[in-house]
Amino acid sequence: DQQVKQNSPSLSVQEGRISILNCDYTNSMFDYFLWYKKYPAEGPTFLISISSIKDKNEDGRFTVFLNKSAKHLSLHIVPSQPGDSAVYFCAAKAGYNFNKFYFGSGTKLNVKP
Amino acid sequence: DSGVTQTPKHLITATGQRVTLRCSPRSGDLSVYWYQQSLDQGLQFLIQYYNGEERAKGNILERFSAQQFPDLHSELNLSSLELGDSALYFCASSTQTGGNVGYTFGSGTRLTVV
Repeated sequence: DQQVKQNSPSLSVQEGRISILNCDYTNSMFDYFLWYKKYPAEGPTFLISISSIKDKNEDGRFTVFLNKSAKHLSLHIVPSQPGDSAVYFCAAKAGYNFNKFYFGSGTKLNVKP
Repeated sequence: DSGVTQTPKHLITATGQRVTLRCSPRSGDLSVYWYQQSLDQGLQFLIQYYNGEERAKGNILERFSAQQFPDLHSELNLSSLELGDSALYFCASSTQTGGNVGYTFGSGTRLTVV
């Protein structure tokens, strides 16, 4: 049972434009969410996080939005750069005392120069 | 370099065999997590250890087992291998077993069963 879903396997955007990556979840107990970025032949690296007490978190060009009622998470990258081309995973967990994350299947972002 | 070391990077083996994947966590991290990424799938949680003790278990097959040693390195043992076990196996570590923190991942071991 996939509790975290990324329904778009790939996304292509032009350099300088906005990239929007989406993530849906089914477990209403999830209270902490992360986005990871993965380059080929490397492990995923942490990008940005958001707690369920917030609906937005910003870090430079990256902003994560959380819509708890819709159980929806999105990552906005503005402006997109060719170096952002990677696979992006969203992940979620439930409960402060636990650190077991559920991951989506990833979205491959291609930023064209 | 993330600080999490996984060996070997690549492994090719035959069906029915047994392999051991090794992970050294980032210095100071007590928690180790194992994840499996099959083709076009997300990362599936296998198991977590914290300071030598099993802390959480996911959809880990009975043919698979893991342990964390006193020096905090961990090994994932896969036995009676099947073609479907071919995947990327990631190890990750974190400082604690809870809290709002993410993991640091290693670069993975790519297992190919032929």
